[in-house]
Amino acid sequence: GAGVSQSPRYKVAKRGQDVALRCDPISGHVSLFWYQQALGQGPEFLTYFQNEAQLDKSGLPSDRFFAERPEGSVSTLKIQRTQQEDSAVYLCASSLRESNSPLHFGNGTRLTVT
Amino acid sequence: AQSVTQLGSHVSVSEGALVLLRCNYSSSVPPYLFWYVQYPNQGLQLLLKYTSAATLVKGINGFEAEFKKSETSFHLTKPSAHMSDAAEYFCAVTINAGGTSYGKLTFGQGTILTVHP
Repeated sequence: GAGVSQSPRYKVAKRGQDVALRCDPISGHVSLFWYQQALGQGPEFLTYFQNEAQLDKSGLPSDRFFAERPEGSVSTLKIQRTQQEDSAVYLCASSLRESNSPLHFGNGTRLTVT
Repeated sequence: AQSVTQLGSHVSVSEGALVLLRCNYSSSVPPYLFWYVQYPNQGLQLLLKYTSAATLVKGINGFEAEFKKSETSFHLTKPSAHMSDAAEYFCAVTINAGGTSYGKLTFGQGTILTVHP
């Protein structure tokens, strides 16, 4: 069984460009999370989906960040008008159930904004 | 709100020596606590978790951690370090708050473990 897959693995964007980061969770996993990990820091929560419903987006740093999971499977994190401070590794994680289920992390997308 | 403090951003040990990585938490309600390991350019892998059952928790690769409420600590230990243990380790906390328990984690800053031959 495949794990959580994220693409692209690396993304370089010029300041002001829009980017889209993709996450393919483990098949059948209900819950999906996005985390942002700045260099030398621990991951920080961005947003949470239960199936297609975005139940918590309290960690999104600005309205330039938008996430969706329209069919309850693949998720996309979009960042508009990227800024240098958006440079980080973006981690996606999924879990089987709504609660009491461990997270499975992808390898992340490293975004560099120049 | 909950938080985690990892004492020591870098820990260096010799192969075969005891590994001790420190984690202190803050939570207004009983917490769930986790240790994750991250190898270079990879995602996080769960080592072990505490969920209000036994206070001494055993995980993968010979690691264990003990939940000490009086000290608000959840330190990670391994009796004998191996070269393959070199990685970054993160302590994390969440609370049992409905559907986002286990998933909405607050992470510490991480501790890089170096193992010398």
